[in-house]
Amino acid sequence: RKEVEQDPGPFNVPEGATVAFNCTYSNSASQSFFWYRQDCRKEPKLLMSVYSSGNEDGRFTAQLNRASQYISLLIRDSKLSDSATYLCVVNSLKAAGNKLTFGGGTRVLVKP
Amino acid sequence: SQTIHQWPATLVQPVGSPLSLECTVEGTSNPNLYWYRQAAGRGLQLLFYSVGIGQISSEVPQNLSASRPQDRQFILSSKKLLLSDSGFYLCAWSVRTSYGYTFGSGTRLTVV
Repeated sequence: RKEVEQDPGPFNVPEGATVAFNCTYSNSASQSFFWYRQDCRKEPKLLMSVYSSGNEDGRFTAQLNRASQYISLLIRDSKLSDSATYLCVVNSLKAAGNKLTFGGGTRVLVKP
Repeated sequence: SQTIHQWPATLVQPVGSPLSLECTVEGTSNPNLYWYRQAAGRGLQLLFYSVGIGQISSEVPQNLSASRPQDRQFILSSKKLLLSDSGFYLCAWSVRTSYGYTFGSGTRLTVV
């Protein structure tokens, strides 16, 4: 089983709609969680950290469910510019070095 | 503020040729440094990470190597490239896992 699993998509989303997707992780001892955004042929960029109580940043809401070991990302009022691949990221406690493990990404396509 | 520099942006190399990619970080001391590779249409694969000068941990056995000759310099090398070495190489740094990683702009390597 992969450490971090995501639905690869694509999620085809009408402009202005809401889209949500999850990511599951296998290590119950993981402590840090993030969502990164990667545009085509670009480096990943941190979108937001995910806190235990859930957190919101503008149109983006992230949730953590430790009992079921998943995190979620919800995008409201989707913009064309939200089209990207969203990477779920979890810290790995297997060894020293502050290693983060990346999911394969969920591709989101926002269409007019 | 902290910045990370990675070069070159693109590289086309023949099979069997050597490789040297360099990454430098500014504005921070004793960062954790990472090399990732992303094959076309695939997720990020951690290749090497370093928690200090001369300290390199390898994640995947292959014909690549890494070195950290200075605190804020991380080098990825190969003596003889293979076709399968083609991909998008990303350097990243972090101070603590809870802060996530910051990636450089990447090097797109094509081995021909």
